[in-house]
Amino acid sequence: DAGVIQSPRHEVTEMGQEVTLRCKPISGHNSLFWYRQTMMRGLELLIYFNNNVPIDDSGMPEDRFSAKMPNASFSTLKIQPSEPRDSAVYFCASSIRWGGANGELFFGEGSRLTVL
Amino acid sequence: DAKTTQPPSMDCAEGRAANLPCNHSTISGNEYVYWYRQIHSQGPQYIIHGLKNNETNEMASLIITEDRKSSTLILPHATLRDTAVYYCIVRDSGSARQLTFGSGTQLTVLP
Repeated sequence: DAGVIQSPRHEVTEMGQEVTLRCKPISGHNSLFWYRQTMMRGLELLIYFNNNVPIDDSGMPEDRFSAKMPNASFSTLKIQPSEPRDSAVYFCASSIRWGGANGELFFGEGSRLTVL
Repeated sequence: DAKTTQPPSMDCAEGRAANLPCNHSTISGNEYVYWYRQIHSQGPQYIIHGLKNNETNEMASLIITEDRKSSTLILPHATLRDTAVYYCIVRDSGSARQLTFGSGTQLTVLP
């Protein structure tokens, strides 16, 4: 399996522009997670989906952030408008069956976002 | 979920065992101990997890004390590629809550 695939790997944009990050989870996994990593705050969970339904979005910073999962093989994280403080590495992760004793997440390589 | 405490950094000689400690003194009966690592510029990688008993897989061994208040991740023969940040996380198996990553231990394997 190719693993979790994220795109773009690197994005540089100007403040105010819309940013869309994409994720393809591992086939057969029914849970998907978006994390953000910065030096100051470490790894933070933004939102997670189970069977394409958002379960917990309490980590989404504000209304400028939105995430969708239209089907089991694709998810997007959108920032509109972007701000310099959104600069971070955004990770997508998937799990075959989240919950219970299963705590194994498979992470993608991340999307490094720089907002100027 | 219980809070964990890890040393911020450790060094280990290549070829020797790396023993990474984690304190989770407030762990409850339903909480598992998970270990992940993050190699520079990569996404975190699952290593191992356990509840009460010691666990071993192809990557590492996990030793959990009898009172479950602390654990040790053992990399039996550390290589340069094991240089990474290692995260110890506890999570309640009875809920669907997410994994919360702390600051971890930066392990540096020295040649």
